Amino acid sequence: GAGVSQSPSNKVTEKGKDVELRCDPISGHTALYWYRQSLGQGLEFLIYFQGNSAPDKSGLPSDRFSAERTGGSVSTLTIQRTQQEDSAVYLCASSLGTSGREQYFGPGTRLTVT
Amino acid sequence: AQSVTQPDIHITVSEGASLELRCNYSYGATPYLFWYVQSPGQGLQLLLKYFSGDTLVQGIKGFEAEFKRSQSSFNLRKPSVHWSDAAEYFCAVGLIATSGTYKYIFGTGTRLKVLA
Repeated sequence: GAGVSQSPSNKVTEKGKDVELRCDPISGHTALYWYRQSLGQGLEFLIYFQGNSAPDKSGLPSDRFSAERTGGSVSTLTIQRTQQEDSAVYLCASSLGTSGREQYFGPGTRLTVT
Repeated sequence: AQSVTQPDIHITVSEGASLELRCNYSYGATPYLFWYVQSPGQGLQLLLKYFSGDTLVQGIKGFEAEFKRSQSSFNLRKPSVHWSDAAEYFCAVGLIATSGTYKYIFGTGTRLKVLA
């Protein structure tokens, strides 16, 4: 079976433009997470979707960041009016549920804001 | 506050030498514990996990980790390192956050360099 996929793998954008990053989780995984990984840093939690519950948005750094998950599957992370400090690798992960299930990570999208 | 600490940012070992990567966590109860490895340009791959039971857990690629409750630690070990082990290693905990939702908290990672 396919793993978690993300697109694009690389994105270069100009400051002030909007970007959309896509994540396709493993089929049947009800939980989906977005993380940001800046150079030399660990993983910064952004947002979490679990089934039909309201998402946990507590990690989003500003209101320029938003995410949605359609039909309980594909998720899109949108960054509006990008800033240079948004440059990072954005990782998506999915899991079968909560309570200790391990996460399966996608390869990430490297975002560069010029 | 809930946190994960990996005190070693970089570690360099010779091929064939033993390895230990340190991980400490701060949490009121025993969390679920994970080690992930990230090769350059790749996503994270699970090496091993601890939920309960035997405190010494075996993982893939010859890695093992030991949970020590008294020290709030979950150190990763390998008796003989191979050049292909050069990567970044992340310790993570899974726990119920104060918001009531289940969360993973990652350490900042340890970058391993292997000398031939």
